[in-house]
Amino acid sequence: QVQLVQSGAEVKKPGASVKVSCKASGYTFSSYGVSWVRQAPGQGLEWMGWISAHNGNTNYAQSLQGRVTMTTDTSTTTAYMELRNLRSDDTAVYYCAVDCRDSPCYTGYWGQGTLVTVSP
Amino acid sequence: DIQMTQSPSTLSASVGDRVTITCRASQSISTWLAWYQKKPGKAPKLLIYKVSNLESGVPSRFSGSGSGTEFTLTISSLQPDDFATYFCQQYNSYSTFGGGTKVEIK
Repeated sequence: QVQLVQSGAEVKKPGASVKVSCKASGYTFSSYGVSWVRQAPGQGLEWMGWISAHNGNTNYAQSLQGRVTMTTDTSTTTAYMELRNLRSDDTAVYYCAVDCRDSPCYTGYWGQGTLVTVSP
Repeated sequence: DIQMTQSPSTLSASVGDRVTITCRASQSISTWLAWYQKKPGKAPKLLIYKVSNLESGVPSRFSGSGSGTEFTLTISSLQPDDFATYFCQQYNSYSTFGGGTKVEIK
């Protein structure tokens, strides 16, 4: 069965970076993409970006351009999301999800979420 | 960026009610629209993709319609498990979520 297991909760100071991992199993990793979505406390879902595990192509949300990098390691079937120069409003639960191979689309399989807290 | 506007933001309803949620896109997204259900502490659950295609295992009381810029999610007879927040998502150009509609108990 498809499973996405994310790394554990993180507490970071403003200005620091965080890297969240997403270990995939149960499907052919390089035949799909991975999207990252976050939800701040009391807020809605925010699409952060997508990466193709097939060729490494990426699409990032305009609001995060320059601060976010998404990568994949096909040898370990793991996706990574790094967010730099953290601010307090980056405090959120971050989700990875299986996505389409060639461009972002709908996502039926999700990780369990990783809480990232940004606090002085 | 394509903006997605959902209405209402909150909806109070009773078990058995027919519920309709609207999602409007700032430009045409053809039929590249999905709907998700979100409960606190849980990952989003895909309900519908490509406007009206029901994800496997999703009850048939959920349905979707629309095209271009206006879309609706309908729950034909609200059940206790349906009290949650619902989000639309466009994937015509990159991706964007709507602001969400919280369905609460009346």
